Amino acid sequence: GNSVTQMEGPVTLSEEAFLTINCTYTATGYPSLFWYVQYPGEGLQLLLKATKADDKGSNKGFEATYRKETTSFHLEKGSVQVSDSAVYFCALRTGQAGTALIFGKGTTLSVSS
Amino acid sequence: GAVVSQHPSRVICKSGTSVKIECRSLDFQATTMFWYRQFPKQSLMLMATSNEGSKATYEQGVEKDKFLINHASLTLSTLTVTSAHPEDSSFYICSARASADTQYFGPGTRLLVL
Repeated sequence: GNSVTQMEGPVTLSEEAFLTINCTYTATGYPSLFWYVQYPGEGLQLLLKATKADDKGSNKGFEATYRKETTSFHLEKGSVQVSDSAVYFCALRTGQAGTALIFGKGTTLSVSS
Repeated sequence: GAVVSQHPSRVICKSGTSVKIECRSLDFQATTMFWYRQFPKQSLMLMATSNEGSKATYEQGVEKDKFLINHASLTLSTLTVTSAHPEDSSFYICSARASADTQYFGPGTRLLVL
C-alpha cells in the first residue's frame, strides 16, 4: 500500500545549523509530495510541495526535491532558526487534487540559540 | 491564510458518554472536510471524508456507527464519538478543502476518555 516513512526524532540543532529531515515513500503511480509544519498549538500548515519527479518545492528557506529514482523527498534548510522549532510531517497524495493525504509520523525539530 | 477552527481543543469524558467535536472553516466554504486521528508518535490516519449534504465516506476499519460525521453546512462538520471508551482517547484533526489543490488543517482536539 501507500506509505510515508520519516526519520525518527527529535532532531536537536543549534541556530544556524544545517537541517535535513529524511522522507521516503511507497506509492503506486505518480504521487504528489508535501511537507507540512505544525507549530505548538496550531494546525498543520503546508510548507512546500512537489507534484512531479525532479520538481523542487521551496518556501521560507526550506527545500525538498522529488526524487523518483530513490522515492525520496528529503527536507533541507541551510541555516535553521529558533523559530523553526516545530513538528514536520511528510505526506503524499495519490488521488485527484483535493483528496486526502497520507502522512508520515512527524519529526520534531528543536532549535536552540 | 485561511483558518480552520476546532472545538473543543481538549475534552475529558467518562467512559460510555458521547463527545461532539466541531470543525469550522472560518473564512471560506468547504464542500469537503477530512477527519484524521493521531496516536502518540504515530502518523495522522484518515478516518473519513465528509461531504456537505451527503453521507461521509469512511476508511476501512473505522466504525461509522461509532464515529458519526455530519456535514450540514459549507462551513461546519462535526464528529461525534459515541459511547466513548478509553481506547478512543486520541488526537483528532480535521482539514477543510478550500480549492481543488488546497486544504487547511484545524489545530486538533485532544480527547481523553476515563
